[in-house]
Amino acid sequence: EVQLLESGGGLVQPGGSLRLSCAASGFAFSNFAMSWVRQAPGKGLEWVSSMSGSGGIIDYADSVKGRFTISRDNSKNTVYLQMNSLRVEDTAVYHCAKGVAVAGTGDYWGQGTRVTVSS
Amino acid sequence: DIQMTQSPSSLSASVGDRVTITCRASQGIGTYLHWYQHKPGKAPQLLIYGASTLQRGVPSRFSGSGSGTDFTLTISSLQPEDFATYYCQQSYTNPVTFGGGTKVEIK
Repeated sequence: EVQLLESGGGLVQPGGSLRLSCAASGFAFSNFAMSWVRQAPGKGLEWVSSMSGSGGIIDYADSVKGRFTISRDNSKNTVYLQMNSLRVEDTAVYHCAKGVAVAGTGDYWGQGTRVTVSS
Repeated sequence: DIQMTQSPSSLSASVGDRVTITCRASQGIGTYLHWYQHKPGKAPQLLIYGASTLQRGVPSRFSGSGSGTDFTLTISSLQPEDFATYYCQQSYTNPVTFGGGTKVEIK
């Protein structure tokens, strides 16, 4: 059974940092792109970042480019999202997803971890 | 960026109704179009990929069609567990983009 379990969310002040983690199980992790997708309160889904299985291809939404960094550790079946210079508008539930990338399909998602940026 | 426009943004329907949701891409995306169901507090669930292929385990009352710029998700007979928000998403090019969502509510 495929499982994606996010952690690391919380309350942070504007300008602060947070690191999200997503532990994956039930599939050949290193073979698949992994992504982060967020949903702000009352809004729809927004793709944030993706990384290929090998880590060689990385993409970011313009809204987070230069502030967020995606990484993965294939030995631990875990993908990360380092979020720096956080803004109020980054407040959202952040979902980890398998395959939400170009030419991919998001066939498995986690339930998400909540990030609140507020003073 | 490719804009994905869903309509309607919300609808009210009864159990047993046939429901159709449309998604239009701002440029051609072939069949790189996927549909998801999302319930509050839950993980989004893939329903249809490649515009028309039913994801394993998804009930056959869900179907998808279209190619190029115009796509449709149809629920042939709405069930109580289908009340949720539905999103289309293109994976043709970066950035990957989602439609604004269609909230299906109980009439």
